[in-house]
Amino acid sequence: QQQVKQSPQSLIVQKGGISIINCAYENTAFDYFPWYQQFPGKGPALLIAIRPDVSEKKEGRFTISFNKSAKQFSLHIMDSQPGDSATYFCAATGNNNDMRFGAGTRLTVKP
Amino acid sequence: EPEVTQTPSHQVTQMGQEVILRCVPISNHLYFYWYRQILGQKVEFLVSFYNNEISEKSEIFDDQFSVERPDGSNFTLKIRSTKLEDSAMYFCASSQWGGRTGELFFGEGSRLTVL
Repeated sequence: QQQVKQSPQSLIVQKGGISIINCAYENTAFDYFPWYQQFPGKGPALLIAIRPDVSEKKEGRFTISFNKSAKQFSLHIMDSQPGDSATYFCAATGNNNDMRFGAGTRLTVKP
Repeated sequence: EPEVTQTPSHQVTQMGQEVILRCVPISNHLYFYWYRQILGQKVEFLVSFYNNEISEKSEIFDDQFSVERPDGSNFTLKIRSTKLEDSAMYFCASSQWGGRTGELFFGEGSRLTVL
């Protein structure tokens, strides 16, 4: 099942800092790359997503950077806030109906 | 706001027993999924369902698992003979256009504990 590799496993950032989470994929058929955010006791919820025809997508404080040749993509959270503390999952899917998730990164933003 | 609802929120069962987890997807969605998450670890794909049949399944989804959409609104996951390693949080998700083109909406999960 390990088609999407995510790092780091956990991340601690000071309030106002930049959080960076990295993912790499193997399957070149993947063409949709979402990031999901999960708070304790809740299901994952879509945060932001990108397709490989662009190298970057920004929504507010959240940016995805995508490197198609390296088969890597990353999530940057600017001006990180304590309310951003959650587990973040990258995911990937292609021309089928099975979205595969990375192992998750537990982000803690310290006040 | 429409949401995916799952029942039960927590089920405790004995090893070898059958378990049925239920989900009510968002009403106009056409694609349905089951995922599981063991103790806050990675979210693992089990199965996807479209047009009343399984469209994809993972290596985890063996003969002990089955899915059904019995009445046009519910979407169920059955585990025929539970094992200790089936203990996990099971998430149902639904999507209007499929995971490739749109968002998956997840329920809050059903925690299964196998003793």
